[in-house]
Amino acid sequence: EPEVTQTPSHQVTQMGQEVILRCVPISNHLYFYWYRQILGQKVEFLVSFYNNEISEKSEIFDDQFSVERPDGSNFTLKIRSTKLEDSAMYFCASRSDRDTEAFFGQGTRLTVV
Amino acid sequence: KNEVEQSPQNLTAQEGEFITINCSYSVGISALHWLQQHPGGGIVSLFMLSSGKKKHGRLIATINIQEKHSSLHITASHPRDSAVYICAVRGGATNKLIFGTGTLLAVQP
Repeated sequence: EPEVTQTPSHQVTQMGQEVILRCVPISNHLYFYWYRQILGQKVEFLVSFYNNEISEKSEIFDDQFSVERPDGSNFTLKIRSTKLEDSAMYFCASRSDRDTEAFFGQGTRLTVV
Repeated sequence: KNEVEQSPQNLTAQEGEFITINCSYSVGISALHWLQQHPGGGIVSLFMLSSGKKKHGRLIATINIQEKHSSLHITASHPRDSAVYICAVRGGATNKLIFGTGTLLAVQP
């Protein structure tokens, strides 16, 4: 069964460093999303991406964050100058069409120390 | 006020019991999702509903659009059903998901 793949599964980084979280969506999917879940809290929307551009972003998704689909298969989330409060589980999701089911990756647990 | 409210927040059941988890929402939606999250964090989609009722194995999901309410039922619960069950509604320009806080279910043998 096709699946969304995220790497790494766990990343520890020092405060102030840049991190890149990687996702490989399901191959025929067109809509891509990043969500995050701070420990003990609910999952929050960060950004959606369609047709090689951001289509919607939340208040959380400020200039510290960027997304890219560099090669037609990977979908990346870059976090510049990480802060302690960026520690969270980051989930990538994709769907084939606006009205279809979303498929989630297993998540990347980011720990900023 | 949260846009998506779930109840209960925590639920402990004995194996074999019938379980109901409720979700209410306050925004316009195009669909509602029930998701399962196991320890370790991965999220799995259980149902996507825009009306009526869906059944998959021992799981049943219903939605009442007029009342902005959905329920997830688990029949003949089993310890392997222990997980966090999350209601999420789909809306907005890009059909992003807005998540509830989840219901932590523990099914004891």
